[in-house]
Amino acid sequence: AQSVTQLDSQVPVFEEAPVELRCNYSSSVSVYLFWYVQYPNQGLQLLLKYLSGSTLVKGINGFEAEFNKSQTSFHLRKPSVHISDTAEYFCAVSSYNFNKFYFGSGTKLNVKP
Amino acid sequence: DTAVSQTPKYLVTQMGNDKSIKCEQNLGHDTMYWYKQDSKKFLKIMFSYNNKELIINETVPNRFSPKSPDKAHLNLHINSLELGDSAVYFCASSQAGQHNYGYTFGSGTRLTVV
Repeated sequence: AQSVTQLDSQVPVFEEAPVELRCNYSSSVSVYLFWYVQYPNQGLQLLLKYLSGSTLVKGINGFEAEFNKSQTSFHLRKPSVHISDTAEYFCAVSSYNFNKFYFGSGTKLNVKP
Repeated sequence: DTAVSQTPKYLVTQMGNDKSIKCEQNLGHDTMYWYKQDSKKFLKIMFSYNNKELIINETVPNRFSPKSPDKAHLNLHINSLELGDSAVYFCASSQAGQHNYGYTFGSGTRLTVV
């Protein structure tokens, strides 16, 4: 079975500052990794995904994430955040052989002016 | 055109009532899901259907009954609603064998049981 841990429930940051949202996973098999964003009162949107190949993946809205197999991590980063990035961010894992996602508990990113 | 649409968006009802939430996707996907998001934002899968067949049924009370009349629709019926059922329910869809591309989510149904 897989599981996902998001270490920070809330991350406050000032506008134009860099941010990193942490995600660790556990799995006995190879996995696919995802980051989703949920804006207030909306559904989840896919930000980016790691399937294979380059460990640094780029997504929408200037976000990127790096897959680190030895540390079983998939941290999300943005070099300069905007007020509009305020949202809940979810890390998720899916195994190659089972069509099911496991989500982390979410990290609320609060960008202040 | 909304890819995954859920109705209603908000639902307020009394304990003991029976209610349904509907979900439709126009993406041509063959797999649909129901997720429950609790007050702490934790997302947990409830059900998954592939081509109208139930393939995932997590430990959900049998008061919850999904129904898939065709692969574009997955409805959720809840009997004898309880206070603890209050949550946001998300429908999602994907294409089997292509789950590595992620899910497409609906915008959610906020259920409040009073």
